[in-house]
Amino acid sequence: DADVTQTPRNRITKTGKRIMLECSQTKGHDRMYWYRQDPGLGLRLIYYSFDVKDINKGEISDGYSVSRQAQAKFSLSLESAIPNQTALYFCATSALTGTSTDTQYFGPGTRLTVL
Amino acid sequence: QKEVEQNSGPLSVPEGAIASLNCTYSDRGSQSFFWYRQYSGKSPELIMFIYSNGDKEDGRFTAQLNKASQYVSLLIRDSQPSDSATYLCAVNQGSNYQLIWGAGTKLIIKP
Repeated sequence: DADVTQTPRNRITKTGKRIMLECSQTKGHDRMYWYRQDPGLGLRLIYYSFDVKDINKGEISDGYSVSRQAQAKFSLSLESAIPNQTALYFCATSALTGTSTDTQYFGPGTRLTVL
Repeated sequence: QKEVEQNSGPLSVPEGAIASLNCTYSDRGSQSFFWYRQYSGKSPELIMFIYSNGDKEDGRFTAQLNKASQYVSLLIRDSQPSDSATYLCAVNQGSNYQLIWGAGTKLIIKP
């Protein structure tokens, strides 16, 4: 079984619709992240959470919101989707070891298309 | 302005040769450096990380770090067609353990 799962894997939606992407993990990690990936731009951090009560904005949080429902669950919402939010979205987790070598582990990704 | 730079490629290498991938970073306070591999349409997966100057070897892979020159490289020996992928460099600047990502280098191993 996958340690980090994302649902849905693919989603096509229309401009203005609200959409939620979900992430669950069984790794027991405290830290969770949401990234988007666009061709030629690499991974960009949207939001990250170090525990259930700690949520932080990343580089590109405008137009997105998140909810950390439990240690194992971290959801990303697009309140009113727009076409330039079409991208590949990844959830990642890492353990809280307090060192700079904490490794991030990624889910399989959600391909989102906004028409 | 991007803080982690990689040549986008594609870098084409014959099978069996050594593939050399490079990454430069701007923050001198960066503490640790990661190489991830990403196959098309798939998620990034960790190859290795390095935090001390010098070389670190893991099987066919060697990471090299030079903090004075602010670059990190990944060497792949005896390249195989299955090594064809995009290689992402990520840098941990230490302040809050976030990773700053390069855009990746596409590597093609020709049989």
